[in-house]
Amino acid sequence: AQKITQTQPGMFVQEKEAVTLDCTYDTSDQSYGLFWYKQPSSGEMIFLIYQGSYDEQNATEGRYSLNFQKARKSANLVISASQLGDSAMYFCAMREATGELIFGSGTRLLVRP
Amino acid sequence: EAQVTQNPRYLITVTGKKLTVTCSQNMNHEYMSWYRQDPGLGLRQIYYSMNVEVTDKGDVPEGYKVSRKEKRNFPLILESPSPNQTSLYFCASSLPGQVFEAFFGQGTRLTVV
Repeated sequence: AQKITQTQPGMFVQEKEAVTLDCTYDTSDQSYGLFWYKQPSSGEMIFLIYQGSYDEQNATEGRYSLNFQKARKSANLVISASQLGDSAMYFCAMREATGELIFGSGTRLLVRP
Repeated sequence: EAQVTQNPRYLITVTGKKLTVTCSQNMNHEYMSWYRQDPGLGLRQIYYSMNVEVTDKGDVPEGYKVSRKEKRNFPLILESPSPNQTSLYFCASSLPGQVFEAFFGQGTRLTVV
């Protein structure tokens, strides 16, 4: 079974609107971390946001927030007020006790002007 | 500046010709890993290392070797490259534990003909 599932290969959003990128995960660990990374067309991997499994509050970083629903094992990324520069590939990832960082297959976001 | 440095950024080689992709980090991180990125598959871990002289296989280790003789360096070795190893490769480092994000190198685009 896939540990990290991103079901949206591609998404469009209008500039200035909010968009939600889906991520579900599978783990039997009680302690784990969830991460989102952005990969622009230039190729580098940029860390966006982190959510710990024991964190009761949803993580936020500027225009990024993580909608963490532990019982449903989902960790969706919400980008508010989309900008053209948000067009990129977005990866959800999980780190379990082993330390290995496991990635989903990614979602390509395109922001329309 | 804290960074992970990979070299080379681009490489075209022929089947069977041994090559090494270097990776160096200046953050004194214990944990280092190598990923390959292929369309539709996200990033898959090749090998990881939790400290000097400690390396373990990731999800797709076949055809690759690594070594960790020093904390800062984690080279990826392809003893006999084949065309199915054509991919985008990333090195990453982090502190150990689920809460820490991984820092990525800029990537190495390898083509094996």
